[in-house]
Amino acid sequence: GAGVSQTPSNKVTEKGKYVELRCDPISGHTALYWYRQSLGQGPEFLIYFQGTGAADDSGLPNDRFFAVRPEGSVSTLKIQRTERGDSAVYLCASSLDRVRAEQFFGPGTRLTVL
Amino acid sequence: GQQVMQIPQYQHVQEGEDFTTYCNSSTTLSNIQWYKQRPGGHPVFLIQLVKSGEVKKQKRLTFQFGEAKKNSSLHITATQTTDVGTYFCAGLRGSGNTGKLIFGQGTTLQVKP
Repeated sequence: GAGVSQTPSNKVTEKGKYVELRCDPISGHTALYWYRQSLGQGPEFLIYFQGTGAADDSGLPNDRFFAVRPEGSVSTLKIQRTERGDSAVYLCASSLDRVRAEQFFGPGTRLTVL
Repeated sequence: GQQVMQIPQYQHVQEGEDFTTYCNSSTTLSNIQWYKQRPGGHPVFLIQLVKSGEVKKQKRLTFQFGEAKKNSSLHITATQTTDVGTYFCAGLRGSGNTGKLIFGQGTTLQVKP
């Protein structure tokens, strides 16, 4: 596709459930980023992949959050035992290769934990 | 931890007036990027500044990176209704193998026609 895609666009779940959020980066982009954005705030960094490996996961808030990118393309953000405070828009972005390159954002997944 | 602060949080202007948003980091940045997010949309890259004191222009938008590489500004001349949105600065620290962009909280611009 032409841009970064994310599925689902909306996810409503109950407290304590497990969710998976998917990101399809722009073809050929080796760097992939996950952010989350709460209302009225800027995107908050979660994790950065360079290829298949997580180069920086310092933004993951706790061990309930985990992300993978097994083949260096599609990535999945996994959240266990969801809490109401996890409700936010989860954004994925990709960039061509170098760390300092422009990041292209996807439309986001709006997660609501009831 | 590293923080990036933006002011003002909101700005309402009359169409045709100028607008400026300011970004300050608690630490020296290797580069700074600016993004625009329209209501209901996702951030869209505007520009990247790398050099100390760098100034770049895009039509009515002027971006500046401070000499100490700890602050930046975005100035819009003669705003139009199409400029409505939230403008974020995002700083990258260090030269290591990390893409960790730290975003400011954004400045939301409203333009009255």
